[in-house]
Amino acid sequence: GAVVSQHPSRVICKSGTSVKIECRSLDFQATTMFWYRQFPKQSLMLMATSNEGSKATYEQGVEKDKFLINHASLTLSTLTVTSAHPEDSSFYICSARDVTPRGYGYTFGSGTRLTVV
Amino acid sequence: AQKVTQAQTEISVVEKEDVTLDCVYETRDTTYYLFWYKQPPSGELVFLIRRNSFDEQNEISGRYSWNFQKSTSSFNFTITASQVVDSAVYFCALSGSGGSNYKLTFGKGTLLTVNP
Repeated sequence: GAVVSQHPSRVICKSGTSVKIECRSLDFQATTMFWYRQFPKQSLMLMATSNEGSKATYEQGVEKDKFLINHASLTLSTLTVTSAHPEDSSFYICSARDVTPRGYGYTFGSGTRLTVV
Repeated sequence: AQKVTQAQTEISVVEKEDVTLDCVYETRDTTYYLFWYKQPPSGELVFLIRRNSFDEQNEISGRYSWNFQKSTSSFNFTITASQVVDSAVYFCALSGSGGSNYKLTFGKGTLLTVNP
């Protein structure tokens, strides 16, 4: 089936630094990718939808200048958390929309646990 | 607007018991898709099933079964003879078709604990 690779799986960074998270679709082209944030014991909250070659669409309340999303190719989307602060510590998950006949619709990365100290 | 309600926040059962996780959805789309995902403690989301709105047949996969009823806007998930390895958070999700409706809307999840 479709595979989405997300890296890194865990990252610890100092407050004020930036962190980049990569999401790659390995065996299919993903024109649309989604970024979610999940706090402990809560559901996934959609942060933004990124379409290859165009600007991301952010959900209400998500700071676009803080969470920079780039979807420069059909297989790669990146999320950069700029000037990270402890409140940005969370679990970030990407998802790619798979429209291939064998696809399940949405394939998720394994997530990135970000800790800002 | 789309909405998914998983009224059961936490369920605890003893191994070998059957357990049903409820999911009720709201949508104005005539074409939509329903999903169930499992999230074990490691965090990754494991795809379990996708159903489109035109296919109301119930499905069985091993110990898992799903009951889709459009009349009540429900898509319930039953685990038969539960096992400790079934312990996880289970999410029901909904997507429409076209435009921004491609976004997945998740329920709040049900934490299932299967005790030995």
